[in-house]
Amino acid sequence: GAVVSQHPSRVICKSGTSVKIECRSLDFQATTMFWYRQFPKQSLMLMATSNEGSKATYEQGVEKDKFLINHASLTLSTLTVTSAHPEDSSFYICSARSSGGAYQETQYFGPGTRLLVL
Amino acid sequence: GDSVTQMEGPVTLSEEAFLTINCTYTATGYPSLFWYVQYPGEGLQLLLKATKADDKGSNKGFEATYRKETTSFHLEKGSVQVSDSAVYFCALTGTAGNKLTFGGGTRVLVKP
Repeated sequence: GAVVSQHPSRVICKSGTSVKIECRSLDFQATTMFWYRQFPKQSLMLMATSNEGSKATYEQGVEKDKFLINHASLTLSTLTVTSAHPEDSSFYICSARSSGGAYQETQYFGPGTRLLVL
Repeated sequence: GDSVTQMEGPVTLSEEAFLTINCTYTATGYPSLFWYVQYPGEGLQLLLKATKADDKGSNKGFEATYRKETTSFHLEKGSVQVSDSAVYFCALTGTAGNKLTFGGGTRVLVKP
């Protein structure tokens, strides 16, 4: 149980284009989803927290107009990197958390999406 | 605010050696504590967790005990395998809400 998927697993795009990454909880309802960014050989940096049906809460220094987050259902959240530039190249990881049941109090992570902006 | 400190790597071991990764934390109240493992090119997998003092989390031969008196949650495994080579992250969720606070990660390399 507690499986979280991400799609795509890797994407290459041209500078100036937008990229959408999907995060799905496959076997539980995720009342809260989180988006992280990870640079090589570093820990995870929380970008934003999203609760189903409400606006995401962004961490300090993260541009909300640059990284659009939508959490329209209890099993799906999307991160859209708008007008991507090479400095946005990174490994993006989502996680999901349930408010109740067997999976509460624990974040379960997706496999990550590697974004390369040329 | 909350913080997690774990030993820096890389830690290089021979197969069947004993592994310890130290983790200490600073938090108000009674946080939940976690160990996550990240294999190359992948996301994080929950390895084990403990939600209250003196709880022991265990999984796949790994163990960690929630020690409130020393604010520690050290990870141990008695006999490592090459397949245990990965980066291990200690983390906590505090009373402030859902957010995970991560340590810097410890890279473990097990050689045959």
